[in-house]
Amino acid sequence: EVELLESGGGLVQPGGSLRLSCAASGFTFSNYAMTWVRQAPGKGLEWVSGITGSGDSGSGERTFYADSVKGRFSISRDNSKNTIYLQMNSLRAEDTAVYHCAKGTNRYISSGLGHWGQGTLVTVSS
Amino acid sequence: QSVLTQPPSVSGAPGQRVTISCTGSSSNIGAGYNVHWYQQLPRTAPKLLIYDNTNRPSGVPDRFSGSKSGTSASLAITGLQAEDEADYYCQSYDTSLSGSVFGGGTKLTVL
Repeated sequence: EVELLESGGGLVQPGGSLRLSCAASGFTFSNYAMTWVRQAPGKGLEWVSGITGSGDSGSGERTFYADSVKGRFSISRDNSKNTIYLQMNSLRAEDTAVYHCAKGTNRYISSGLGHWGQGTLVTVSS
Repeated sequence: QSVLTQPPSVSGAPGQRVTISCTGSSSNIGAGYNVHWYQQLPRTAPKLLIYDNTNRPSGVPDRFSGSKSGTSASLAITGLQAEDEADYYCQSYDTSLSGSVFGGGTKLTVL
């Protein structure tokens, strides 16, 4: 059974940093794209960032970002730990949201998100 | 404003059929990228309903179906049930943005 467990959320001041983690289990982690999606209170889903799975030839992963977080957030994955990370710097009030990690249905960033974690709340406030 | 446009709300009586549209552009749906649909019940994580335009993950009832044409896609729900009351989102990849995007979401009310 696929399980995704996010951690690392909390209260942070504007301009601060936070690192989210998502521990995965129940599938061959390296083969699948992984994505962060956030949802501000009372708002819709917003795609934040994604990282591809390993290619057939062992080619490196590629990373993708929404314009709203480009240059401030960084996504990475550690296939030896079955974990993805989201390093969030220069946080703003508008980054306040529940952050979900999600597993793609294949290794491409354009794939559907077949499994989701329950999310971790990030609150940016002074 | 979302790159993918959905109606804010739709409604229908139990047993009826409803459709939810998702209108994109030549840089996403019209470029040939697949469309995926999600259902989000209150206070829960989203659930994949349709992937790659028309495919249902195991466990999703065949009352849910997806289609795509040109720069738009649609989700159809037949035999509407009270438990279908939820928010629905479409998603696709956008080549201009070099990332994935969600529609603004549609709230389905079962009358």
